[in-house]
Amino acid sequence: DAGVIQSPRHEVTEMGQEVTLRCKPISGHDYLFWYRQTMMRGLELLIYFNNNVPIDDSGMPEDRFSAKMPNASFSTLKIQPSEPRDSAVYFCASSFGDQPQHFGDGTRLSIL
Amino acid sequence: GQNIDQPTEMTATEGAIVQINCTYQTSGFNGLFWYQQHAGEAPTFLSYNVLDGLEEKGRFSSFLSRSKGYSYLLLKELQMKDSASYLCAVRVSGNTPLVFGKGTRLSVIA
Repeated sequence: DAGVIQSPRHEVTEMGQEVTLRCKPISGHDYLFWYRQTMMRGLELLIYFNNNVPIDDSGMPEDRFSAKMPNASFSTLKIQPSEPRDSAVYFCASSFGDQPQHFGDGTRLSIL
Repeated sequence: GQNIDQPTEMTATEGAIVQINCTYQTSGFNGLFWYQQHAGEAPTFLSYNVLDGLEEKGRFSSFLSRSKGYSYLLLKELQMKDSASYLCAVRVSGNTPLVFGKGTRLSVIA
């Protein structure tokens, strides 16, 4: 079975540009999570969805960040405008009910 | 706030046993998870405890004491491939997302 699929795997862009990260959860999973990982802060939850509905976005750093889940098989995380401090690895994860979360391979984002 | 503490780094010898501790202070508790993360890769699920006691899965075991807010991950017969970060995570309530510790980076040496 395919796992959680994220794209792109790597993104390097200049400050001020718009960045869009994509995620395809495991089929049948009803929860989707976006995390950010840095050495300093570890793995932090940004936002999560249940049945495509955003439940808690209190972890989104500021208005420059937005996330959507238009259907059960696709989600995006957008940063506009991007800043160097947004550089991190962004993970998408999905789960079914209270089962363990499965993580995608992540997007390594570098903002110059 | 939620607080999960684990050692930053540990080193152990191939073939030995290592115990990675995790303590938590959270507003609620509905399960503790351990994940393994190799450098540059995604975290992968290792174990889950919701009741007190020991859960064994091959070379890996995980223990939980809810009254003490304490868990440990025990790795036996260490192999070089076990060199990775080990993340402790708590589900605070219901199906809410996991709160992760910063991870323990384990180095296995010959």
